[in-house]
Amino acid sequence: GAVVSQHPSRVICKSGTSVKIECRSLDFQATTMFWYRQFPKQSLMLMATSNEGSKATYEQGVEKDKFLINHASLTLSTLTVTSAHPEDSSFYICSLGLPFGEQFFGPGTRLTVL
Amino acid sequence: AQTVTQSQPEMSVQEAETVTLSCTYDTSESDYYLFWYKQPPSRQMILVIRQEAYKQQNATENRFSVNFQKAAKSFSLKISDSQLGDAAMYFCAYTYQAGTALIFGKGTTLSVSS
Repeated sequence: GAVVSQHPSRVICKSGTSVKIECRSLDFQATTMFWYRQFPKQSLMLMATSNEGSKATYEQGVEKDKFLINHASLTLSTLTVTSAHPEDSSFYICSLGLPFGEQFFGPGTRLTVL
Repeated sequence: AQTVTQSQPEMSVQEAETVTLSCTYDTSESDYYLFWYKQPPSRQMILVIRQEAYKQQNATENRFSVNFQKAAKSFSLKISDSQLGDAAMYFCAYTYQAGTALIFGKGTTLSVSS
């Protein structure tokens, strides 16, 4: 399978600051990557689809100005949480979609906003 | 709209025994993919097994097998010879097209006792 890395694995920030999360595909070209959010003991909820070289597609209810996605290369997608607030605290997971159907997931980033 | 339903929030099994996790889905598509993912306490999402809808044969991966009933839109996961390491949250997932986002069920937490 594919290997997907995420950085950082954990981040704590103050309310009002911005946080950038990187998602890298280490062995496949990633024209499309996905960003999910997961609250404790809940399922993964799709936030947005990251498209290499074009704008991301956001799910209904996700603020695109708050969750900025950049996919400037075939191996890297970034999610920036702008002006973070405590309610943004969550577990963020990226994934790589392959032509075979399945997705391979990064290890996730735990964001805590104080 | 496509939906995935896991009706068992929690399941338990003893080591070496067999357990079956249930999943139903709703779609109007004739071709699609179904998956079971495992999320252990580390929260890394791990692909357990995949099934293409056009294949009548049930997928099998070592101790893991599925019972795919296309007409009933049912996709259950059977874990044989359960091991302590199988303890995790299990998610059933669907996508209608390779490279598109997954739709997840709410998950089933599996505990394994010795």
